Amino acid sequence: GQNIDQPTEMTATEGAIVQINCTYQTSGFNGLFWYQQHAGEAPTFLSYNVLDGLEEKGRFSSFLSRSKGYSYLLLKELQMKDSASYLCAVIPGANNLFFGTGTRLTVIP
Amino acid sequence: EPEVTQTPSHQVTQMGQEVILRCVPISNHLYFYWYRQILGQKVEFLVSFYNNEISEKSEIFDDQFSVERPDGSNFTLKIRSTKLEDSAMYFCASSEGFLAGGHLDFGPGTRLLVL
Repeated sequence: GQNIDQPTEMTATEGAIVQINCTYQTSGFNGLFWYQQHAGEAPTFLSYNVLDGLEEKGRFSSFLSRSKGYSYLLLKELQMKDSASYLCAVIPGANNLFFGTGTRLTVIP
Repeated sequence: EPEVTQTPSHQVTQMGQEVILRCVPISNHLYFYWYRQILGQKVEFLVSFYNNEISEKSEIFDDQFSVERPDGSNFTLKIRSTKLEDSAMYFCASSEGFLAGGHLDFGPGTRLLVL
């Protein structure tokens, strides 16, 4: 079976840094994605990790440790528009994505 | 920037009726997918499609579901006899190649309500 764990909700202050953790246990692993989803909208791609280490893209960074089944998404210089759900997703098999339930982030002034 | 489009944006139907959800994937993408998201729950994989055939499907994708690429641009999901529990947001997605090394581009979704 497949399992992805993320915190359900987080709150952070505008301008701050927040780290959203994800742990996974899947039957296979061909990469891990982070997606952002605003309420009522489609998920949008943020990052992809397949090798251990940190991938940085502007205000967003994502880290992967395959041996620990662990990833995190780091958001810097938080803005109000970053209030959204952040979805961790794994490619467990050939070519489909298995999603976690997501972390709802609220940014407060 | 090219994007995945879906129609209709909302669909209300009676239990037992057939519905067809339509999608136009990004034109140079080769892999097409349907996902669904029941309100307040996670995004769930239904089916992937490549080279005019299903490449993978989940347990959710039973005999009530079918997919088709009727022409060079459209990709459809048909639910033959809808149930109350089919009420969800249905997302079409496409990718240029394999997900490993690439990513999914999602359409805006069709919100299906079965009464």
